[in-house]
Amino acid sequence: DAGITQSPRHKVTETGTPVTLRCHQTENHRYMYWYRQDPGHGLRLIHYSYGVKDTDKGEVSDGYSVSRSKTEDFLLTLESATSSQTSVYFCAISEPRQSTDTQYFGPGTRLTVL
Amino acid sequence: RKEVEQDPGPFNVPEGATVAFNCTYSNSASQSFFWYRQDCRKEPKLLMSVYSSGNEDGRFTAQLNRASQYISLLIRDSKLSDSATYLCVVNSASGNTGKLIFGQGTTLQVKP
Repeated sequence: DAGITQSPRHKVTETGTPVTLRCHQTENHRYMYWYRQDPGHGLRLIHYSYGVKDTDKGEVSDGYSVSRSKTEDFLLTLESATSSQTSVYFCAISEPRQSTDTQYFGPGTRLTVL
Repeated sequence: RKEVEQDPGPFNVPEGATVAFNCTYSNSASQSFFWYRQDCRKEPKLLMSVYSSGNEDGRFTAQLNRASQYISLLIRDSKLSDSATYLCVVNSASGNTGKLIFGQGTTLQVKP
């Protein structure tokens, strides 16, 4: 199994509160990704990072920010959580310089915004 | 039109059956293709990459048709443990970002 952990694994919060999710890898992969998964939508990319301090938006980035201050950690922040951000959040890693774009996923964080 | 489209199913089949899933993609410049498997309330895991010549891994066979822009997955001799959601995945072809586009998934339920 790829060395990816996510914390917390479950969180319940209230509308308007800030929330930070953490993804930690031990593989030294350059690329890290945050997805959300909702019924009827599949996995959708929120933000991704291609190196320390290098990040870019995905298709559903509104309401989210990210930071990557070191290779192993990629943080996802909801500045002011809304009920529409209730979802399962997955982090993934890859190393596209290798011959494949294969991504490996963390176990997910189940977030409920009341 | 979605970039990667799959029939969501569910496909309900008896043990031992052969089942096939198809997937279409819209970006003709895509170069990497995968099938991922996702169990209920778990993370997606790579099942197999899909190559132009087709490839097989035990009971699983994947095929790619670039001209028609579709990908298939064939599962032979279905087992109860094959019950899961199968995600068709294509790279976004937008430079070397490693970005992948995921289909919604096809749910397979194998019955005794």
